[in-house]
Amino acid sequence: EIVMTQSPATLSVSPGERATLSCRTSQSVSSNLAWHQQKPGQAPRLLIYGASTRATGIPARFSGSGSGTEFTLTISSLQSEDFAVYYCQQYNNWPLTFGQGTKVEIK
Amino acid sequence: QLRLQESGPGLVKPSETLSLTCTVSGASISSTNYYWGWIRQPPGKGLEWIGNIYYSGSTYYNPSLKSRVTISLDTSKNQFSLKLSSVTAADTAMYYCARAGTGNYEFVDYWGQGALVTVSS
Repeated sequence: EIVMTQSPATLSVSPGERATLSCRTSQSVSSNLAWHQQKPGQAPRLLIYGASTRATGIPARFSGSGSGTEFTLTISSLQSEDFAVYYCQQYNNWPLTFGQGTKVEIK
Repeated sequence: QLRLQESGPGLVKPSETLSLTCTVSGASISSTNYYWGWIRQPPGKGLEWIGNIYYSGSTYYNPSLKSRVTISLDTSKNQFSLKLSSVTAADTAMYYCARAGTGNYEFVDYWGQGALVTVSS
C-alpha cells in the first residue's frame, strides 16, 4: 500500500499568516491526491481533490499543488476557523490511504 | 445536503463482533457514481480505510482486515453496515462512514461524524 507522510506534525501560525503543509507519498500517485480538514468534534470535510481543485464552497485562500510524490497545501492568510487538523489522502491505488495529519495551531 | 450518520454499540467485548450502521440522507446509496465506505482512526493514530461497497453489492476490503470484515447494503433503508469479527483492543477506534466517487473521483467527498467504539471486557 502507498504510505503517506505529512510534515510537520504541528504547525504554529499567527492569524493572517501563511501556512504551508506538505504531503509525500511512497510512490507516485499522479495528481490523485485530496486534502481534508477536521475540526474538533466535527466530521472531516473535503478541501481539495485532484491535487489542486478546490471542493465546492471552499474559500480561495486554500490552494493545493504538486504531482507525483510531493504535494503542498497552502492557506494564504489563516483565519480563526482554519485552525484544525489537515489530512492528505491518495486515491491512485487501493487501499485508499491517508497521512497522519498536520495540526495547525494558533501561535 | 448529504448527511451520513453512524450508529451502533460504543462498547464491544474482545473476541466479539463489532457492528455499525451508516444511515445516509440526502442521496441514494443506489447511485452508480459512488462507493460507500468505512474508515477508522485508533486513538492517537492515523486514518485507515477499512473497505467499501458499491450499489451492486460488490465490495473491496483492505487486505489488512479482509479476513474479519463484512460490509453490506440495505437499499430499502438507505443504509450500509460494517461487521468486524474477533475484535481485540487494537480495534478500539473512531469509526467513520464515508462516500467516495468512482472512476477518476475515488476520493472521499463526505464523511460521517464518527462513532467511537471501545473494545474492552
